[in-house]
Amino acid sequence: GNSVTQMEGPVTLSEEAFLTINCTYTATGYPSLFWYVQYPGEGLQLLLKATKADDKGSNKGFEATYRKETTSFHLEKGSVQVSDSAVYFCALSGNAGNMLTFGGGTRLMVKP
Amino acid sequence: DSGVTQTPKHLITATGQRVTLRCSPRSGDLSVYWYQQSLDQGLQFLIHYYNGEERAKGNILERFSAQQFPDLHSELNLSSLELGDSALYFCASSVGGSGRYEQYFGPGTRLTVT
Repeated sequence: GNSVTQMEGPVTLSEEAFLTINCTYTATGYPSLFWYVQYPGEGLQLLLKATKADDKGSNKGFEATYRKETTSFHLEKGSVQVSDSAVYFCALSGNAGNMLTFGGGTRLMVKP
Repeated sequence: DSGVTQTPKHLITATGQRVTLRCSPRSGDLSVYWYQQSLDQGLQFLIHYYNGEERAKGNILERFSAQQFPDLHSELNLSSLELGDSALYFCASSVGGSGRYEQYFGPGTRLTVT
């Protein structure tokens, strides 16, 4: 079946540092890949997506590239802010079904 | 604001009881998905409805059931509640039934079973 593996957190960074959160997946066929963000006490917000190999999703300074050869979709941001502190979830939806399969989430804490 | 609404926001009930969680999708969206978020299991897919019809089932217990009504809102019914059912329940909506469409999540219902 489908699965998503994310690096465990928490990830603690200083403001303006570079962020990478690793995400790898297992799926048959050609899944669509997503990053969602969950701020404290809130629901999940779609951050970015990519639907085919080599696509780059980007939003609010965050980027991720769909790498089929390494089955990865790592999230990056060049300069994080305190307001980026949240839990980030990598997810996929595959050909076997339309539901999202989520990774375990990575908590990011950014210190001023 | 995603445009997806869920009620109630919080629910506290006792073991053995039954509750109903309600979800209204974004205007124009035909699909509704239900997910459970718990500390030990993470985020897990429960069930998917598209335009009133059940499309897929995930790790949904037999004590749980759902439906989507003609006006496209959905309800998740949880019965014979156990302590382990305490979790955040999210619904999400999307415009189509394919996995390529983004899913937009509601704020969730926090269920506490005592």
